[in-house]
Amino acid sequence: AQKITQTQPGMFVQEKEAVTLDCTYDTSDQSYGLFWYKQPSSGEMIFLIYQGSYDEQNATEGRYSLNFQKARKSANLVISASQLGDSAMYFCAMRGVSNAGNNRKLIWGLGTSLAVNP
Amino acid sequence: EAQVTQNPRYLITVTGKKLTVTCSQNMNHEYMSWYRQDPGLGLRQIYYSMNVEVTDKGDVPEGYKVSRKEKRNFPLILESPSPNQTSLYFCASKGAYQETQYFGPGTRLLVL
Repeated sequence: AQKITQTQPGMFVQEKEAVTLDCTYDTSDQSYGLFWYKQPSSGEMIFLIYQGSYDEQNATEGRYSLNFQKARKSANLVISASQLGDSAMYFCAMRGVSNAGNNRKLIWGLGTSLAVNP
Repeated sequence: EAQVTQNPRYLITVTGKKLTVTCSQNMNHEYMSWYRQDPGLGLRQIYYSMNVEVTDKGDVPEGYKVSRKEKRNFPLILESPSPNQTSLYFCASKGAYQETQYFGPGTRLLVL
């Protein structure tokens, strides 16, 4: 069965420092996609970054980078130069494969709550 | 602006009173999906649609209905809401050849 595990329920980081949020995944598929989303206290779900299983380079989007270690089945999110506005819940997700083969549902971890201290 | 919209954003209702949560996207996306988010359970898929008139069940479809009569709209219908359907609901969409799903702002539903 496909599964996403986020082992850090909560994290603290000082403003302007870097922080790594952990994500491990389990799948038997050869082709899959990994995502990180941010959910601020207002509730919306904001896409941050995507990594395909065949991508050789680690994905980067501005201050966000994804440390993809395929053999270890990990897809950690690195946020550089943290800002107060980065305080939020962060979710790791994986594109699942349904029995029908065409459902692109996302399988989600339970999230990590990040607090950025001034 | 490319976006997914949901209405209402907040809703308090009573058991058994039929309600509809609307979802609309302006990106011409083929794929649309509904999720619910509950503490300790994460996000779970309710229904999805590959295109107009093509819908199918996700992981937790009981108590919900959907329809896809137009490409841009994918309403979620609760015919007889119950308290266990109190949750935060998200609609999402993506293009047929894209990976990323874009989410609406969420609808917080409380069923008394």
